[in-house]
Amino acid sequence: DAEITQSPRHKITETGRQVTLACHQTWNHNNMFWYRQDLGHGLRLIHYSYGVQDTNKGEVSDGYSVSRSNTEDLPLTLESAASSQTSVYFCASSESTLGLQYFGAGTRLSVL
Amino acid sequence: GQQVMQIPQYQHVQEGEDFTTYCNSSTTLSNIQWYKQRPGGHPVFLIQLVKSGEVKKQKRLTFQFGEAKKNSSLHITATQTTDVGTYFCAGGAGTASKLTFGTGTRLQVTL
Repeated sequence: DAEITQSPRHKITETGRQVTLACHQTWNHNNMFWYRQDLGHGLRLIHYSYGVQDTNKGEVSDGYSVSRSNTEDLPLTLESAASSQTSVYFCASSESTLGLQYFGAGTRLSVL
Repeated sequence: GQQVMQIPQYQHVQEGEDFTTYCNSSTTLSNIQWYKQRPGGHPVFLIQLVKSGEVKKQKRLTFQFGEAKKNSSLHITATQTTDVGTYFCAGGAGTASKLTFGTGTRLQVTL
């Protein structure tokens, strides 16, 4: 069965360190998304991609970057982790740009 | 930019009571989707509505899309403890070319 997996599931890091969160999907979807979820803010879009070599900024992109070198993967990098980036991060993919999204299980990141 | 608001933010009901969450967009939508996230879990797609005034049912859940395609609602009849979780709407607008998620409504159901 096709799936979308995130790793690691939990991560603790220190302020200033670079962190990369992995997202891998076997749906063969062109569209992939990264969200962060914080209490009271719902799901906020960080970056998204509509295909290989395509990346776009979402509403909360400062301090984050993504790259899309193949269809299956969209890693999210925190260039210099800050305490404000402590959150739960979800990756998602969809077949069409406004189509239903399949979410990964999430990564809980703590920046100390 | 497009904004999607949901009310209420939180609701606590007794098992057997009904529950409704409302979703309002600042712009006209091409489609609206609803997701459910169980505590500690990830959002899972429930349904999509695309037509003005559309109503869809899934067992005890009734979903509506407003006539102006700017609002939607999810109604649960006779809630059960299995309904516990956060319900998100997500709206798509053609010019935005991506979904915008609402702020979510957290439902707590007690016996």
